Amino acid sequence: QVQLVQSGAEVKKPGSSVKVSCEPSGGTFNNYAINWVRQAPGQGPEWMGGIIPDFRTGKYAQKFQGRVTITTDEARTTVYMELSSLRSEDTAVYYCTRGTFYYEDSSFYGDYFDYWGQGTLVTVSS
Amino acid sequence: EIVLTQSPATLSLSPGERATLSCRASQSVSYYLAWYQQKPGQAPRLLIYDVSYRATGIPARFSGSGSGTDFTLTISSLEPEDFAVYYCQHRSDWPLTFGQGTRLEIK
Repeated sequence: QVQLVQSGAEVKKPGSSVKVSCEPSGGTFNNYAINWVRQAPGQGPEWMGGIIPDFRTGKYAQKFQGRVTITTDEARTTVYMELSSLRSEDTAVYYCTRGTFYYEDSSFYGDYFDYWGQGTLVTVSS
Repeated sequence: EIVLTQSPATLSLSPGERATLSCRASQSVSYYLAWYQQKPGQAPRLLIYDVSYRATGIPARFSGSGSGTDFTLTISSLEPEDFAVYYCQHRSDWPLTFGQGTRLEIK
């Protein structure tokens, strides 16, 4: 059973940045992409972007371009999502999710999400 | 951006009844549509992908249909654990988007 473990809740000031981590319980992501999806209170989920850790390629939603950075560490065992220039509207639960495709090359495809982390609440407040 | 519109916003039914949830896309997504179930305090769970394929471990009472712009999630006979919020999501184009959800509540 795949488990994704995320870092803990954060409280941030407007204008600052937040960095959330995601690790698989089994140690590696095994050629699957990791995407970040956020959900504001009472709203539907919103896709932010994703990365294939084994190839270090990915894509961002245009809405977040320039504000979000999704990276992986050298060992490719942790994926990070950093969101900058925070505003109150960024208050949400942030989920890392695993896509369903098994990647054998670096092309990044739109996907569905079959495994989800426990979520990280990011609160932006002055 | 493809907008997914779900209806109704809230559906009130009793256990044992049949539930029909709708998702309409602002442009064709072909058959690249999924459904998720979300319970309070939990992450969404993938139920159906590519319109009609059940994800691993999903009971047969859940089924999906449709193509192009109009899609339906059907729960043939509601169990108590099925009362939750349901979202559709496409993977047809960038950005990937979700609907705003249908809340299925106990009548």
